[in-house]
Amino acid sequence: DTEVTQTPKHLVMGMTNKKSLKCEQHMGHRAMYWYKQKAKKPPELMFVYSYEKLSINESVPSRFSPECPNSSLLNLHLHALQPEDSALYLCASTRDGQINEKLFFGSGTQLSVL
Amino acid sequence: GESVGLHLPTLSVQEGDNSIINCAYSNSASDYFIWYKQESGKGPQFIIDIRSNMDKRQGQRVTVLLNKTVKHLSLQIAATQPGDSAVYFCAENSNYQLIWGAGTKLIIKP
Repeated sequence: DTEVTQTPKHLVMGMTNKKSLKCEQHMGHRAMYWYKQKAKKPPELMFVYSYEKLSINESVPSRFSPECPNSSLLNLHLHALQPEDSALYLCASTRDGQINEKLFFGSGTQLSVL
Repeated sequence: GESVGLHLPTLSVQEGDNSIINCAYSNSASDYFIWYKQESGKGPQFIIDIRSNMDKRQGQRVTVLLNKTVKHLSLQIAATQPGDSAVYFCAENSNYQLIWGAGTKLIIKP
């Protein structure tokens, strides 16, 4: 079982809604990630937080807003999303944020935007 | 840009047989490679990794082979079981970015 916990598992929202995705890990990892995964595609990196600071933003639209309240928690705030944003959103963590470290993924939030 | 690709999008294997999943990469300077397994309804899970100074690495029932001459990576699964059904992704560290392959779906025939 994964040690990265994501909530909710499923989310349906309208284009005018505001919602948040949550992620938590208690492995003492200092880097946390948001990925977006479309069906039958590999995950695409969105954001990286390293030691609670945003270190990578892969040109993600501003309707996605990440937040890292502490080293164990990672949120993704959603506002005014489009139907094409429907996807599986995966949270992951690594020990120190180095590229040659294995990622520990949560089970994801399946998001549907109507 | 450079990318990691896979030869077969779907692989069907008889239960008990060995599975071989292949991956081609294009950046000869890549120094780290990793395999993930993603079961239905779950996030990717680390299987095994290998650095470019190695040709082979073995884990529990899995072996990764790296052929730098032809820029080819493979994942071998011994005695394939129903629980091995999943999509398998290879990924490479290319210019400090993790580049993912397209994925191969492994189907186990009873």
